[in-house]
Amino acid sequence: DAMVIQNPRYQVTQFGKPVTLSCSQTLNHNVMYWYQQKSSQAPKLLFHYYDKDFNNEADTPDNFQSRRPNTSFCFLDIRSPGLGDAAMYLCATSRTGTGAEGQPQHFGDGTRLSIL
Amino acid sequence: QKEVEQDPGPLSVPEGAIVSLNCTYSNSAFQYFMWYRQYSRKGPELLMYTYSSGNKEDGRFTAQVDKSSKYISLFIRDSQPSDSATYLCAMSLVYNFNKFYFGSGTKLNVKP
Repeated sequence: DAMVIQNPRYQVTQFGKPVTLSCSQTLNHNVMYWYQQKSSQAPKLLFHYYDKDFNNEADTPDNFQSRRPNTSFCFLDIRSPGLGDAAMYLCATSRTGTGAEGQPQHFGDGTRLSIL
Repeated sequence: QKEVEQDPGPLSVPEGAIVSLNCTYSNSAFQYFMWYRQYSRKGPELLMYTYSSGNKEDGRFTAQVDKSSKYISLFIRDSQPSDSATYLCAMSLVYNFNKFYFGSGTKLNVKP
């Protein structure tokens, strides 16, 4: 089945120690998104890639970076995690472009990040 | 004011009940409307997707959009314990459909 896969499912890191979360997709979608979701809250968009074009949300802290080396993979780097960065991180994909407006996003199962 | 408002619940119903979940929104430019189901410690799973106004039915699920009232609903018929989850509404604009606006989710508990 085509899907969005996130690794690892659970990640524990130390305060200030860089961490990388990964996402891969077999849907061949051209847009990939990273969201942060805290308990009982809506997912909060951090940034997205439209093909190779990176689009950062205005309120995403500089501590969060992303890389998309190819269509299938996308990474979220947190350079110096703070206690407030403990959350579920969700990767999503969608197909968009002419004739594909408004297509829904498809999510992975997330990586739950804990900060010690 | 949030762009999308959703009652957090929890909503507790007996098995077999009809469930009504709702979201209101403030931006009349929203054109695409989605409902996602999210089980504990899992990612959101797309349930329903509609464009503009009207109804859409898929099995036990019916999505309604009332753009004049800026109100969307998800109905679940013959609810099952396996429907127990958090339901998130989401919507996007016709001119910026890459950006989704989510409600904070309604937690539903269907009791056997």
